[in-house]
Amino acid sequence: AQSVTQLGSHVSVSEGALVLLRCNYSSSVPPYLFWYVQYPNQGLQLLLKYTSAATLVKGINGFEAEFKKSETSFHLTKPSAHMSDAAEYFCAALRANNLFFGTGTRLTVIP
Amino acid sequence: GAVVSQHPSWVICKSGTSVKIECRSLDFQATTMFWYRQFPKQSLMLMATSNEGSKATYEQGVEKDKFLINHASLTLSTLTVTSAHPEDSSFYICSARGTSGEIYEQYFGPGTRLTVT
Repeated sequence: AQSVTQLGSHVSVSEGALVLLRCNYSSSVPPYLFWYVQYPNQGLQLLLKYTSAATLVKGINGFEAEFKKSETSFHLTKPSAHMSDAAEYFCAALRANNLFFGTGTRLTVIP
Repeated sequence: GAVVSQHPSWVICKSGTSVKIECRSLDFQATTMFWYRQFPKQSLMLMATSNEGSKATYEQGVEKDKFLINHASLTLSTLTVTSAHPEDSSFYICSARGTSGEIYEQYFGPGTRLTVT
């Protein structure tokens, strides 16, 4: 069965520091992969997606993710954290028309 | 952009009663709506998919007689938790997809927290 694992339920970074949120998928066939962000009291928003084209995917708000088949990973990064990046981030995989979500990582940005 | 609302955002009910949660697409027509359930520190789990005017398709393990889904219009879907029990306490999230969207182009509501006492 398809599953997505997010390592670290909480990540704290200083403002201006690198953001790295980890996501690994388990599948012999690379699925479509996504990162969603959820700000407090709001719905999930699509941050970026990988659909088997370029392995480095750029999303909104300066975020990007790199698909690495050899590592079955799709980690989310941002060079410099901003206070407004504080939110919950979900990695997800699409298989058989269903979205399978990770458990989420809460990002805290320290001023 | 596309906005999806849910009402109520938080509800407490007594065991044995029924609760209805509404999901509305505010500025687009949603041909398909999805209902998810999220337990604390766990993933969002898809409960059911509903297409406007059709019966909902439930995921394995989800009781369709307990979680009644109605998608009677292109902007409204409802989830009714019937004869609620404490184990039904959870965070329920809906999402909606427009007429031409890919499966992953879902717009999510902010969620409804249900507490059954």
